[in-house]
Amino acid sequence: QVHLVQSEAEVKKPGASVKVSCKSSGYTLTSYGIGWVRQAPGQGLEWMGWITAYNGDTNYAQKVQGRVTMTTDTATSTAYMELRSLRSDDTAVYYCARLYGDATFDYWGQGTLVTVSS
Amino acid sequence: QSVLTQSPSASGTPGQRVTISCSGSTSNIGTNFVYWYQQFPGTAPKLLIYRNDQRPSGVPDRFSGSKSGTSASLAISGLRSEDEADYYCVAWDDSLSGVIFGGGTKLTVL
Repeated sequence: QVHLVQSEAEVKKPGASVKVSCKSSGYTLTSYGIGWVRQAPGQGLEWMGWITAYNGDTNYAQKVQGRVTMTTDTATSTAYMELRSLRSDDTAVYYCARLYGDATFDYWGQGTLVTVSS
Repeated sequence: QSVLTQSPSASGTPGQRVTISCSGSTSNIGTNFVYWYQQFPGTAPKLLIYRNDQRPSGVPDRFSGSKSGTSASLAISGLRSEDEADYYCVAWDDSLSGVIFGGGTKLTVL
């Protein structure tokens, strides 16, 4: 069974960084990509980017380009999303999802709430 | 404001057929596949339709997707109370070189 388990909720101050983890099981990480999607409170879904696990290639959304880094650790089947220079509008639930093809996110993590507040 | 436009809300009664639409442009829906996701409050989204009209295993055939030109639709037949959720259309956008989500449609079963 495929499972993606994310790290716990975080509270950060403006200007800080956060690193969310996403541990995969039940499949081979390098056979798929990992996408990241966030959802601000009461808002819709927003794609942040993805990483191709087998070679580390990344594609980031323009909105977070320059502030985000997505990585994978194949030894532990864990993907990471680091977001820097946090602002209050980065407050959201961050989801990781297994990706195949162009935008097929077929399995999702449970979500990680990141709160940015002074 | 989303590049993919969805009506904020839709509703229907049990047993009815409901259609949720998604309007885009030639740089997204017009040239790329459309995907649909279902999300219940407080939970992660779930893949409902991929590549315009394909259903993952486990998704009831009451759900169907279609695409025509720069628009796409999700149809739900035999509406049930458990279908009450938010529905999002998704596509790759060639101009933005990224994935875009519609703003979402909140479906209410009356």
